[in-house]
Amino acid sequence: DGGITQSPKYLFRKEGQNVTLSCEQNLNHDAMYWYRQDPGQGLRLIYYSQIVNDFQKGDIAEGYSVSREKKESFPLTVTSAQKNPTAFYLCASREDSFSGNTIYFGEGSWLTVV
Amino acid sequence: QKEVEQDPGPLSVPEGAIVSLNCTYSNSAFQYFMWYRQYSRKGPELLMYTYSSGNKEDGRFTAQVDKSSKYISLFIRDSQPSDSATYLCAMSGQGAQKLVFGQGTRLTINP
Repeated sequence: DGGITQSPKYLFRKEGQNVTLSCEQNLNHDAMYWYRQDPGQGLRLIYYSQIVNDFQKGDIAEGYSVSREKKESFPLTVTSAQKNPTAFYLCASREDSFSGNTIYFGEGSWLTVV
Repeated sequence: QKEVEQDPGPLSVPEGAIVSLNCTYSNSAFQYFMWYRQYSRKGPELLMYTYSSGNKEDGRFTAQVDKSSKYISLFIRDSQPSDSATYLCAMSGQGAQKLVFGQGTRLTINP
């Protein structure tokens, strides 16, 4: 089945540790996105990528890093520099940005800092 | 002022009622309008997608876009408890790299 797979679903991290969230899509979409969602809040864009080997900062990029070495993969690293990392992280993909295509989301990853 | 405004609710209605969810926006360049449904602890799923003005119907769901008023709506007829979720509106302009999301409205349908 085509879709977006995020892993792990739940992750616990100690303060001061980096953690990487995986996002894989088999939809052959060009664009990929990472959002953060806090309880009762809307979506905030962390990073996005339109093509392989290129990505741009979103609204809240500080303390996060990404890579886009393959079209189907867009991992997000939450670094120790991120002050409040506990949140629900959503990966999304979009066929392209030019024709108004909508985006599709994965099931999300819950990160808790302990 | 936010580009997209959406009342976060919560909104609680009895089963069978007609639900109206709304978003207003300020950017006249927006042409593509979407509604997502998000169940608790899940990723948002696309519910309705509309281009420019007009209505679109899919089963019990109707999406309306009024570009002159910069106002979009989602109507749910014969609401069911399974419709209880958070509903997010989203929109973008032609060639825009990013979607702009509303904050989401939390909806509960009471049996």
